[in-house]
Amino acid sequence: QVQLVESGGGVVQPGKSLRLSCVASGFTFSNYGMHWVRQAPGKGLEWVALLWYGGSDEYYADSVKGRFTISRDNSKNTLFLHMSSLRVEDTAVYHCARDKAGVRGMDYYLDSWGQGTLVTVSS
Amino acid sequence: QSALTQPASVSGSPGQSITISCTGTSSDVGAYNYVSWYQQRPGKAPKLMIYDVRIRPSGVSDRFSGSKSGSTASLTISGLQAEDEASYYCSSYTRTNTHVVFGGGTKLTVL
Repeated sequence: QVQLVESGGGVVQPGKSLRLSCVASGFTFSNYGMHWVRQAPGKGLEWVALLWYGGSDEYYADSVKGRFTISRDNSKNTLFLHMSSLRVEDTAVYHCARDKAGVRGMDYYLDSWGQGTLVTVSS
Repeated sequence: QSALTQPASVSGSPGQSITISCTGTSSDVGAYNYVSWYQQRPGKAPKLMIYDVRIRPSGVSDRFSGSKSGSTASLTISGLQAEDEASYYCSSYTRTNTHVVFGGGTKLTVL
């Protein structure tokens, strides 16, 4: 079955960088677009970024644009989120999620989610 | 980008029906049928419940249904069960450069 496992979270000081990873299994990773979605403690879901299956197009929430970069290594079935210039307000559980469309492109429906990894930005 | 607007909470008794609204704009819900709904139980990852406004993925109970009128989408849960107690989030494609927007979430309490 589809499985997404995030890692790389932790406690980091404001202004520092962190890289999250999401290892996929149970499906042909290279055929699917992928998303990152975050959830601050006690708050709702906030979409962060998406990357097309071929890596050709990427889009970001305004709140992270210019600071976060989404990338993928299809040979290792792994999605990444490189986060720099971290702020206290970036504190959240970060989930990776698969886009339902597959090779059709993107339909912006997230049909499989990982459990998430917690990032805490604090001095 | 602004989140879609949902009520913070709704409640209902077992067996009853409830409806959760999701109000967007002419840039998202009002312009496209790319509306989806997610269920999130405490401590769990979200689960896709509805896509394309009204389509249920395989395995989702037919007690869950979706609709849309203008810039407002709705999720209706009929025959409420205790297991339906969770937070529900709507989402839509948006023609802004961010492409995806979520609602603020609605906590459903089954009395």
